[in-house]
Amino acid sequence: EAGVTQSPTHLIKTRGQQATLRCSPISGHTSVYWYQQALGLGLQFLLWYDEGEERNRGNFPPRFSGRQFPNYSSELNVNALELEDSALYLCASSLKPGKTEAFFGQGTRLTVV
Amino acid sequence: AQKVTQAQTEISVVEKEDVTLDCVYETRDTTYYLFWYKQPPSGELVFLIRRNSFDEQNEISGRYSWNFQKSTSSFNFTITASQVVDSAVYFCALSEANEGTYKYIFGTGTRLKVLA
Repeated sequence: EAGVTQSPTHLIKTRGQQATLRCSPISGHTSVYWYQQALGLGLQFLLWYDEGEERNRGNFPPRFSGRQFPNYSSELNVNALELEDSALYLCASSLKPGKTEAFFGQGTRLTVV
Repeated sequence: AQKVTQAQTEISVVEKEDVTLDCVYETRDTTYYLFWYKQPPSGELVFLIRRNSFDEQNEISGRYSWNFQKSTSSFNFTITASQVVDSAVYFCALSEANEGTYKYIFGTGTRLKVLA
């Protein structure tokens, strides 16, 4: 069974540009979570999608947004990129939100120059 | 508000030593879930264990064991006879039901270095 897959693995963008990150959850999982892990820091919660709806949002500015598609895959968009947006972005999916473990993808390393 | 504290930023041990990683959590809910994850240098978080708040049984899986104590709000992780392959960052996480807004809150992680 395929795990959580994220693309691209690496992404280099210029300050002010937009970045789009993609995530495919484990088959059968309807919940998708996005986390930001800046260098040397822990995981900061970004967004939670379930059944196509945004259910919860972390303390990030509105230029961080996303959506979940009918097949439960998800997209994270970061507009007006800033240097401090450089981080590893991790996507996870779970079977029962909060009650079962979240399985993580390998992440997208975003570098803003 | 929910919070997870991993006070140990970095631990170094020599191979074959036992090591315990501490995790203290805060929550107002009576029903919650605790997790441990391992993040090797490759970056992907690997799920290790889940514990429900109503199940205080300790668990052992090979060289890994977990001690859950609600009285002290702790969920500690012990590696017995550590190996170099255990070197990684370990995260403790908490989730609770808060008006349906489930999310996983992570501690800041403990970097474990096992020296040969």
